Amino acid sequence: KQEVTQIPAALSVPEGENLVLNCSFTDSAIYNLQWFRQDPGKGLTSLLLIQSSQREQTSGRLNASLDKSSGRSTLYIAASQPGDSATYLCAVMDSSYKLIFGSGTRLLVRP
Amino acid sequence: GAGVSQTPSNKVTEKGKYVELRCDPISGHTALYWYRQSLGQGPEFLIYFQGTGAADDSGLPNDRFFAVRPEGSVSTLKIQRTERGDSAVYLCASSLTTGAAFFGQGTRLTVV
Repeated sequence: KQEVTQIPAALSVPEGENLVLNCSFTDSAIYNLQWFRQDPGKGLTSLLLIQSSQREQTSGRLNASLDKSSGRSTLYIAASQPGDSATYLCAVMDSSYKLIFGSGTRLLVRP
Repeated sequence: GAGVSQTPSNKVTEKGKYVELRCDPISGHTALYWYRQSLGQGPEFLIYFQGTGAADDSGLPNDRFFAVRPEGSVSTLKIQRTERGDSAVYLCASSLTTGAAFFGQGTRLTVV
C-alpha cells in the first residue's frame, strides 16, 4: 500500500531564506508526483507536476526534484516571501491512477 | 469551464438527512476524483472515475456514500443518513489520465 510522508510537519523561517520541503513515498511504481499549495479554508493549487520519467521541474522560485528509485521528492523554494506562507502537499499517482497525499508541511514565512 | 467548480461551497445539514454535493470538472478531463479532508490532514481518497465508470471506489467509507458521473462530466457525491463524523471538506479534482490534477474549492459539510 502506497504511503506518503512529508517532513517537517511545520516550518517557520524568516523572509528571504531558501528552504527545502521533503516528501517520501513507499512504492516507486508511480505515474507522477505533484506538489500543491493550500491556503487556509481554500482548495488545492497545483504548483508542479513531475512525470515518472522526469527528474525535476521548475516554476519561478520553485524547483521540485524526483528520485523515484529512492522514493523521494523535494520542493525547493528560493528567497521565501511572507506570501509563500501556506500548507504544501505532495501527492503521488499510484499504479491504479489514484492520487495519494501526504499530510502536508505548514510553512510560515516571517516578515 | 475555466476550472473545477463545486457546489454548494457550504452545506449545513441535520444528522440523518441526505445530501448531494456537485462537481463540474474542467471540460475534456476524463478523470474525476473525490477526496475528503479533515482539519490538519491531507486529502483522503474516496472515489475515482475514468469517464462514466467508477474505476476505483475503495475509499468510500461505507454504503451510505455513493457517487455518480452519468455522462462522463458532472459528478454528484451522495451521502445518506448523514452522521456528525461525516463533517469535513469534500474536494473534487479532475485531470487528463496521468496529467496534473486540478482541484475545486471544496464543499464544507457540517452535520449538526
